[in-house]
Formats: sequence, structure tokens, C-alpha cells
Amino acid sequence: DAGVIQSPRHEVTEMGQEVTLRCKPISGHDYLFWYRQTMMQGLELLVYFNNKAVMDDSGMPKDRFSAKMPNASFSTLKIQPSEPRDSAVYFCASSFGFLMDQPQHFGDGTRLSIL
Amino acid sequence: QKEVEQDPGPLSVPEGAIVSLNCTYSNSAFQYFMWYRQYSRKGPELLMYTYSSGNKEDGRFTAQVDKSSKYISLFIRDSQPSDSATYLCAMSAWSGNTPLVFGKGTRLSVIA
Repeated sequence: DAGVIQSPRHEVTEMGQEVTLRCKPISGHDYLFWYRQTMMQGLELLVYFNNKAVMDDSGMPKDRFSAKMPNASFSTLKIQPSEPRDSAVYFCASSFGFLMDQPQHFGDGTRLSIL
Repeated sequence: QKEVEQDPGPLSVPEGAIVSLNCTYSNSAFQYFMWYRQYSRKGPELLMYTYSSGNKEDGRFTAQVDKSSKYISLFIRDSQPSDSATYLCAMSAWSGNTPLVFGKGTRLSVIA
């Protein structure tokens, strides 16, 4: 079975540039989550969707970050303009329902470096 | 103080040792507790989950929850080099769609 697919796997860009991260969830999953992982802060939830609608984006810096889910099989996380402090590993995860016995399946992440 | 505290390690043990990994938390509303395992350059994967207090066993892994002390543990028996990974605890209050709150993770190395 195909898991959660993220692209690109690595991204290096200069400060001020626009960055777009992409995610394809597991087919049939109705929840999609975007996380950011750093050594200092650990794994932090940025935003999550239920059936393509944003449920909670309180963890996302709204002045520069935006997240969209135009259809059930695709989501993007955009950073514009990017800053060095955005350097982190960004994970997308999906799940079927929000129950504890329906685990979140994570992609392998996008390693983002802003110079 | 963060809601979930976890010692980052690193923790290094010989093969066959019993490993104890722990998290403390401050939110008494948490009632679902999970352990995720994350291999290097991979995403986390769910290892075990428990509800409320008590123990849960799955093969070499045992999860314990002590809600009175706001303390959870993961024990690994007969540890193997393949257990070398970062272990993250996660928890949720589950009042509606309440997202998971993760610990920072403990890096474990099992030496053959």
C-alpha cells in the first residue's frame, strides 16, 4: 500500500523565496495534518484538515504560512516569504477518523533549509 | 513549562537490556496516551496506545500510565539493535477533535 507521499524530500532555498511543500494522503483518509519538527521544539502541529476543511490552524504563523487542500488527495503548505527560522523537517500525516485506534500515518518529511 | 516533558537522551544500552522511557505531563485532561517510534530520516510510526491508567503489553513492549502522577512509561524488554530510534510520547484530551501533543522524543541506541 502506498503511504503518505511528500515532496520534495529536501529543499534548500534562500531567505525571502517562496516554498511549497506537497502532500498526498493515504486514499480514503479524511484527516490530514501538517507538522513541523525541530530539535528545539520537537514535533509541532501547524494545521489540520477534516474532509478538506481547515479545523485548526492555530499553530501556524498566518502572516507567512498558508495551507490548502483543494481535493481529498492533495494538500500544500506554502511559506512566503521564507526565513531561516523556518528551517525544519515538515511532516504530513493522514488518518481515517480521529479515534485513537486509527493512527496517524506520517510521510517521510520534507527537510527544509532556508539560507 | 511545556505540556509534555520528555528527556531527549541520548540513551545507550547493550543488546538484551531492559529500556525504560518516560514522559511527564501537566494537563490532567489527557486521557489517551501513545508512543511513536521514529527511525532516522523517517516519519514517526505508532507503536502503542493506551486509554486512561493501567498497563498494556505488546510483545517486547509494555506501556504504563499513572494518571495520579501524570507519568507515562514505555518499557522495552530484550532490546535489539533494530530498536535504535527516537521514541516520542504523545497524548490527547479527546474532547471532540483534540489534536495530539507530542514530547520532544528520546533517542535510543541499542549496541550489539
